[in-house]
Amino acid sequence: GEDVEQSLFLSVREGDSSVINCTYTDSSSTYLYWYKQEPGAGLQLLTYIFSNMDMKQDQRLTVLLNKKDKHLSLRIADTQTGDSAIYFCAELGGSSASKIIFGSGTRLSIRP
Amino acid sequence: NAGVTQTPKFQVLKTGQSMTLQCAQDMNHNSMYWYRQDPGMGLRLIYYSASEGTTDKGEVPNGYNVSRLNKREFSLRLESAAPSQTSVYFCASSDFRVAKNIQYFGAGTRLSVL
Repeated sequence: GEDVEQSLFLSVREGDSSVINCTYTDSSSTYLYWYKQEPGAGLQLLTYIFSNMDMKQDQRLTVLLNKKDKHLSLRIADTQTGDSAIYFCAELGGSSASKIIFGSGTRLSIRP
Repeated sequence: NAGVTQTPKFQVLKTGQSMTLQCAQDMNHNSMYWYRQDPGMGLRLIYYSASEGTTDKGEVPNGYNVSRLNKREFSLRLESAAPSQTSVYFCASSDFRVAKNIQYFGAGTRLSVL
């Protein structure tokens, strides 16, 4: 079945780059997403990438997609304290037009 | 533009009590979803409604029922609450006719079942 996996925790120093990794199983995924959840709030879309793209850059965010290895990563440059949150990887699978499969989330903490 | 609104924000129930979680969206989306979030388990889909008048089970539907009251509203009902249903519940909506199918989330309902 469809599955999305990511590590649970990441700790980086303020000003360094953060790289959050994700693997997925559905080779027919059309869109892959990164959502951000701040404490006590719902999820908000951070960025997304279409499956025929390898990379997408949006200000401090860089998304890399390796379709062969079914690997997605999110790089946050110059990580700030406001980036502390849980980051969810998600995929829009080919088997259902409406269902999105979410990973378990990576909690990013920032060290001074 | 409120987006997705969930009520209540917090709720404490005793085992066996029933309650309904309400969700409304004002983005004219066709699809609506209910998830639960538990530590270390990410989001698990309980039920979804691809369009008005249809509902389907997700990954963890047992113990829950849903109603797609109209295009705007999608409610989640716990008929007989159990401690295992202590969780944070999120409602989301999307328009899957738009290729990206981005989901928009409410702020969540924090439910404790004692």
